[in-house]
Amino acid sequence: QVQLQESGPGLVKPSQTLSLTCTVSGASISSGNFYWSWIRQPAGKGLEWIGRIYTSGGTNYSPSLKSRVTISIDMSKNHFSLKLTSVTAADTAVYYCARGNPWRNIDSWGQGTLVTVSS
Amino acid sequence: NFMLTQPHSVSESPGKTVTISCTGISGSIASNFVQWYQQRPGSAPATVIYEDYQRPSGVPDRFSGSIDTSSNSASLTISGLRAEDEADYYCQSYDSSSVVFGGGTKLTVL
Repeated sequence: QVQLQESGPGLVKPSQTLSLTCTVSGASISSGNFYWSWIRQPAGKGLEWIGRIYTSGGTNYSPSLKSRVTISIDMSKNHFSLKLTSVTAADTAVYYCARGNPWRNIDSWGQGTLVTVSS
Repeated sequence: NFMLTQPHSVSESPGKTVTISCTGISGSIASNFVQWYQQRPGSAPATVIYEDYQRPSGVPDRFSGSIDTSSNSASLTISGLRAEDEADYYCQSYDSSSVVFGGGTKLTVL
């Protein structure tokens, strides 16, 4: 069964870049017809989709975050990554990585990692 | 852009039936599959309904999903409510190249 695990700094200073990695185990990131996604959730609020990447390297990003987001994939390390630039306190949230089936459900989630933006 | 809107909260007594709606805005709810996720405090979401009405293995048949094109909405119905059903529920679909989530509904089992 596939498992996903987020890793990265839990504290980022305002105006800096948030960087997270999602390591996939139990399956090859390059096998099957899936997309690999980042989703965040501020405390007490709902889920916000950030973006996704396919094993082809194709990406889609949330229109509201597109100017600040880059998602990349490294199939040799079986992981994918998120970079969010110019962060503010509004970017403080639990960040989830997830695997999705195109046009269908997101079937696997990481446990989530809290990232706080503060000086 | 296509959006999904849900009631902020619903509540019902144990043993009763509750329905949570998910209304499509600026697009047809029937254009793409709708999924439903359950999220308990401190945990990641988990699928309870996918492809409008399908249940993953392990999800009890007390959970059901439907689409109503006349109201442009999807619904999640939970019958025989149990205390363990108390959670946040999110609908999810797609808009061209984006994944779209509803705002979430907090279900309280009284």
